[in-house]
Amino acid sequence: DQQVKQNSPSLSVQEGRISILNCDYTNSMFDYFLWYKKYPAEGPTFLISISSIKDKNEDGRFTVFLNKSAKHLSLHIVPSQPGDSAVYFCAAFGGATNKLIFGTGTLLAVQP
Amino acid sequence: SQTIHQWPATLVQPVGSPLSLECTVEGTSNPNLYWYRQAAGRGLQLLFYSVGIGQISSEVPQNLSASRPQDRQFILSSKKLLLSDSGFYLCACLQGRDTQYFGPGTRLTVL
Repeated sequence: DQQVKQNSPSLSVQEGRISILNCDYTNSMFDYFLWYKKYPAEGPTFLISISSIKDKNEDGRFTVFLNKSAKHLSLHIVPSQPGDSAVYFCAAFGGATNKLIFGTGTLLAVQP
Repeated sequence: SQTIHQWPATLVQPVGSPLSLECTVEGTSNPNLYWYRQAAGRGLQLLFYSVGIGQISSEVPQNLSASRPQDRQFILSSKKLLLSDSGFYLCACLQGRDTQYFGPGTRLTVL
């Protein structure tokens, strides 16, 4: 049972344009959400997070939007750069526990 | 700051052979430790987590096991590897929701 889903396995975007990565979750107990970036053969690195008491969090080129009623979050990268090419995972903390549940990932390719 | 070490970095093992992957953490005490597996097309799957020495929670049924013999040591094991055990194994240390660190990972290929 996949509690955190990323329905787009891959996304291709032109350099300078906006990248939008989407994530859906099913567990209403999740209250903290994160996005990670992962290069091949490396561990994920934290990008940005959002608490369920907010609907938007911005950090430089990265903005995360949360729609709790739809159980949906998205990561916007503006402008996209070739160095942003990687696999992006969304993740959620499982309710009152410290279990971090990851989505299936989206491979972003930013074309020069 | 915290540092997570994992070894080996890569491993090729025959089906039916045993497995031992080690993770150690520096720079913190009493961390929550996690084993994840990234398999092709399946994202990062939580396998085990531990909130203290000797305390292991298993998330998925499988032929893998985990142990935490010391506060900052987390071991992933198997008595007999299956082909489906191939993947990229990540150890993570989480201290609350604002502090998460991942190790460099181990690429396991079972032939």
